[in-house]
Amino acid sequence: QKEVEQNSGPLSVPEGAIASLNCTYSDRGSQSFFWYRQYSGKSPELIMFIYSNGDKEDGRFTAQLNKASQYVSLLIRDSQPSDSATYLCAVNSYDKVIFGPGTSLSVIP
Amino acid sequence: DGGITQSPKYLFRKEGQNVTLSCEQNLNHDAMYWYRQDPGQGLRLIYYSQIVNDFQKGDIAEGYSVSREKKESFPLTVTSAQKNPTAFYLCASTPGTTYEQYFGPGTRLTVT
Repeated sequence: QKEVEQNSGPLSVPEGAIASLNCTYSDRGSQSFFWYRQYSGKSPELIMFIYSNGDKEDGRFTAQLNKASQYVSLLIRDSQPSDSATYLCAVNSYDKVIFGPGTSLSVIP
Repeated sequence: DGGITQSPKYLFRKEGQNVTLSCEQNLNHDAMYWYRQDPGQGLRLIYYSQIVNDFQKGDIAEGYSVSREKKESFPLTVTSAQKNPTAFYLCASTPGTTYEQYFGPGTRLTVT
C-alpha cells in the first residue's frame, strides 16, 4: 500500500510568520506532487503542484521537492488568518492520486 | 463557467436504502474520481474512471457502484451493503494528461 504521510498537527503560527508543512511519500515512482487547501466543511482546492526537484514559488507559497529523500514541503510566507485551514499533500501513484491525512494550520492574529 | 457540480449538497436517507450521488463536469476532463472523507480524515478513493464506459475500483469500493456512460457524468450509488455510509463525498476530475485534480463542492450524506 503506497502511503503519504504529513507532519501531525495542529500547527499554530503567529500572523506574519512562515508556516512550514511537510510530507513524505513511499512510492519512488511518483512524478507529480500537489498541495491542496481545505477549509472546514468545504472541498479541497488545489494551490500548488510541483513535478521537478527544487523549489517552485507562487506568491506567498513555495513548494519544495526532494525526490531522493521522498519528501515535499509547502512554505507559506507572511501567514494570514485566512490561511487557517487543513493542508492536504497528494502524490500520484501509477494512475491514481494518494492523499495524506492533512495538517491543520491555525494562524493566530 | 466551467466546473464540477455535485448534487444534492446534503442528503438524508434511512438505513437499507440505496442512494445515488450526482457528479457532472463541463471541463472536458477525461478522468473522474470519487472520494470519501470522514471527520478529521484524509480522502479515500472509492472509484475512478479514465475513459467513458470504463472504471476501476479504488481502495474502498465495497458497497458502492458507479457508471460512466457519458464523459461529463460519473454518478455514485451508495448501496445498502455499505456498512458506514455517513460521510462527505467528493467528486474530482483531471484532464487525463496530468494528475491535477479539481473538486466539486461535495455531498454530505447522512444515513440513520
